[in-house]
Amino acid sequence: QQQVKQSPQSLIVQKGGISIINCAYENTAFDYFPWYQQFPGKGPALLIAIRPDVSEKKEGRFTISFNKSAKQFSLHIMDSQPGDSATYFCAASRGGGSNYKLTFGKGTLLTVNP
Amino acid sequence: EADIYQTPRYLVIGTGKKITLECSQTMGHDKMYWYQQDPGMELHLIHYSYGVNSTEKGDLSSESTVSRIRTEHFPLTLESARPSHTSQYLCASSGTLGTGVYGYTFGSGTRLTVV
Repeated sequence: QQQVKQSPQSLIVQKGGISIINCAYENTAFDYFPWYQQFPGKGPALLIAIRPDVSEKKEGRFTISFNKSAKQFSLHIMDSQPGDSATYFCAASRGGGSNYKLTFGKGTLLTVNP
Repeated sequence: EADIYQTPRYLVIGTGKKITLECSQTMGHDKMYWYQQDPGMELHLIHYSYGVNSTEKGDLSSESTVSRIRTEHFPLTLESARPSHTSQYLCASSGTLGTGVYGYTFGSGTRLTVV
């Protein structure tokens, strides 16, 4: 049973475009939703995270949109740059994230063409 | 600078050999994890630890074993390597990050090839 479903598996965007990656979860006890970014040869790194008390969180060109009723959240990358090319993982956990393991999505390989 | 370190970065080893992948962190985190990452990117949790002398198996069955004798050290051992063990292994710790936000910190991984 996959508790966090991520789509698409791969995404190609032109420089300056908007990249959108979607995730859906099943466990209503989840209350912490981070996104991780992984470059080749590196481990994933925390990019941005949201809790369900807000519907949107923005950090620079990266925005998380959260829809609690639909049990969905998404990452939007505005003005996508070739340097954004990486694998992105959504994740979810309970307990505000501090005491429970993260459940990761399967990842999205983003390619931003110059 | 607080970080998590994995050695070696790359390892090519023959079938049947015993190997230990090292993972150390200076984050001060109690919780640590081992993930296996396949070529299709997906992260599979194989072991985790919530503190010294605490180890649990993850969601993906693995023939590897782990130990947690010191808070900062979480090595993974394969007693007899096989070609099916060829993969990328990522170590992580979780807790409060330098920014004050909770999250996982991953090492750069060990790419293991068993021939």
